[in-house]
Amino acid sequence: EADIYQTPRYLVIGTGKKITLECSQTMGHDKMYWYQQDPGMELHLIHYSYGVNSTEKGDLSSESTVSRIRTEHFPLTLESARPSHTSQYLCASSETGSNGYTFGSGTRLTVV
Amino acid sequence: QQPVQSPQAVILREGEDAVINCSSSKALYSVHWYRQKHGEAPVFLMILLKGGEQKGHDKISASFNEKKQQSSLYLTASQLSYSGTYFCGTEGRWSGGGADGLTFGKGTHLIIQP
Repeated sequence: EADIYQTPRYLVIGTGKKITLECSQTMGHDKMYWYQQDPGMELHLIHYSYGVNSTEKGDLSSESTVSRIRTEHFPLTLESARPSHTSQYLCASSETGSNGYTFGSGTRLTVV
Repeated sequence: QQPVQSPQAVILREGEDAVINCSSSKALYSVHWYRQKHGEAPVFLMILLKGGEQKGHDKISASFNEKKQQSSLYLTASQLSYSGTYFCGTEGRWSGGGADGLTFGKGTHLIIQP
């Protein structure tokens, strides 16, 4: 079944650690996105990609980086985690053109 | 710029109707609507691409007034399963095609009581 997967589902990590949040989709979508969402709040776009080797920063300033080496894979990396990075990170994908987004289940990150 | 949603929260009894509004200060290319239940990912409901377009499925429909840069989501004869937070997401006219990612409103919390 076509879907979008995020791992890990939950992550508790110490300050200063480097972490990578994984996102993979099996739908062949060209466009992928990373959003940050605090509980009960709106979604903020932090990164997006049109396709392989294409990445852009979103509206929300972020200390994270992304890569898009394969169509199906769009990992997000934090070089040095801080408590202010504690949040939920949602990955999404969509087909080319204006189409609805399919979201992954998210990674809930806690930095202690 | 972030679209403005209203109301912030709605409490309804099962079977009642609700309207959620979304407005933008910039010219819009499209409006998306999503529902998110607690602890879950947002789920796509519908997209409106043209001014004046109306869409719907089951008892949930939406309209898009391009001139006013507004969209409204209509929930008719609400069911318990409609509870959740509803987000509108907008694409600016200059970006068309969704290349730059959606900008989401703050959400409307909908509670349906039996």
